[in-house]
Amino acid sequence: AQKITQTQPGMFVQEKEAVTLDCTYDTSDPSYGLFWYKQPSSGEMIFLIYQGSYDQQNATEGRYSLNFQKARKSANLVISASQLGDSAMYFCAMRAIMDSSYKLIFGSGTRLLVRP
Amino acid sequence: ETGVTQTPRHLVMGMTNKKSLKCEQHLGHNAMYWYKQSAKKPLELMFVYSLEERVENNSVPSRFSPECPNSSHLFLHLHTLQPEDSALYLCASSPAPGAPHAGELFFGEGSRLTVL
Repeated sequence: AQKITQTQPGMFVQEKEAVTLDCTYDTSDPSYGLFWYKQPSSGEMIFLIYQGSYDQQNATEGRYSLNFQKARKSANLVISASQLGDSAMYFCAMRAIMDSSYKLIFGSGTRLLVRP
Repeated sequence: ETGVTQTPRHLVMGMTNKKSLKCEQHLGHNAMYWYKQSAKKPLELMFVYSLEERVENNSVPSRFSPECPNSSHLFLHLHTLQPEDSALYLCASSPAPGAPHAGELFFGEGSRLTVL
C-alpha cells in the first residue's frame, strides 16, 4: 500500500529566507511520481513540482526544488527566497506510474506561514 | 477562462435536501475526479471517471452519487447527507494514466458544503 507522511503540521519562515517542507513516502511500486501542491486560503490546489522515481536529477521549478532521496524515501520541498504569498497549505502526493491506477495519494499537509 | 470550474462555491443544505455539485473542465483531459477534504485529514479520493466511465469508487456512501455525462462535465449528486459530510469537495482533471505527468491534477477551487 502507498502512504505519504508529512510530519510538520505547521512551519514559520522569515520572508526572503529558504524553507524545507518534509515528505516521506512508502510504496512497493517500482515506478512512481511524486508531486507537491499548494493550497492557498481560496481552496484551489495548485501544482508546484513533479519528480519521477527514475529521474536522475532533482526537479526544480523557479523558486521550488525537490530534494529527492530515493534510498530514504523522502521528497522534501525546498522554497527559496520565501515571499508573503507563499503562506498556504502544502501537500505532498504520490502516484504509481506503471499501472493504470488513477489514485493520487496525498499527505496530511503542512501549513506554512511567511513572516514579514 | 479557468481550467477547472466548480459551482456552487458554497452550499448549505439540510439533511433532507437534494443538491448537486457541478464541475467543468476546459483542458481536454480524459479523467475527472472528486476529492473530499475534511479538516485535519488528508484529501480523500471519492470517484474517478475516465472517458465518462467510472474507474475508481473508494467505498463512498450511496448518498453521494456521481455522474459524468461527457468528458468535460462531472456532477456529484447529494441526498440525505449527514453533518459529518460537511467538507470542501474538490474536483480535478488530468490526462490519461501512463504518461509521466499523468498524476498532475488540475483542481478547481472547490465547493464548500455545510450540512445542517
